[in-house]
Amino acid sequence: NAGVTQTPKFQVLKTGQSMTLQCAQDMNHNSMYWYRQDPGMGLRLIYYSASEGTTDKGEVPNGYNVSRLNKREFSLRLESAAPSQTSVYFCASRDRFVTEAFFGQGTRLTVV
Amino acid sequence: GDSVTQMEGPVTLSEEAFLTINCTYTATGYPSLFWYVQYPGEGLQLLLKATKADDKGSNKGFEATYRKETTSFHLEKGSVQVSDSAVYFCALSGGGSYIPTFGRGTSLIVHP
Repeated sequence: NAGVTQTPKFQVLKTGQSMTLQCAQDMNHNSMYWYRQDPGMGLRLIYYSASEGTTDKGEVPNGYNVSRLNKREFSLRLESAAPSQTSVYFCASRDRFVTEAFFGQGTRLTVV
Repeated sequence: GDSVTQMEGPVTLSEEAFLTINCTYTATGYPSLFWYVQYPGEGLQLLLKATKADDKGSNKGFEATYRKETTSFHLEKGSVQVSDSAVYFCALSGGGSYIPTFGRGTSLIVHP
């Protein structure tokens, strides 16, 4: 089982560039999440999707957009990257009947 | 809203020492509680969980007991190894919200 797959694993962007982080899960989970991890800050929720067709803002949504393309895929878009968005981004998924979340390997993004 | 507080790190121990990482939570309802582990350069993976009061989760020599009266879920291990060096996250879900909520993480460093 692949579980949760994120692409790319590493990315360097220039300020103002745009990019989309991809996430796909093969566990038929309803809920999917995007977090960012920064030193000393733990995991902060950017956006989430409780089910296919719905998305909601989390704690730190500014500068990001998301698309729940189908039940498997949940993408995160940076329209105009800023150095403050340098971080490690994690996608996670969870089934309503299984309480724990499953994580991807992360995308390490640097904005210069 | 739901929240998780865990002790700050880093926690530095010698091999075979006893480990305790404290975690307390605030939540409405009856959440499930988790400990996740993150090894360098990897995503988070579930270490153990407990779904109701007085349950004990255990895995790889680690243990944690769900204490509703003290709203705590402290992680313990009797004898740590160098390979246990990682960042440990306490988390909850299913209380007032189905969104997984994480503590800030505690870095554990084990010296030979």
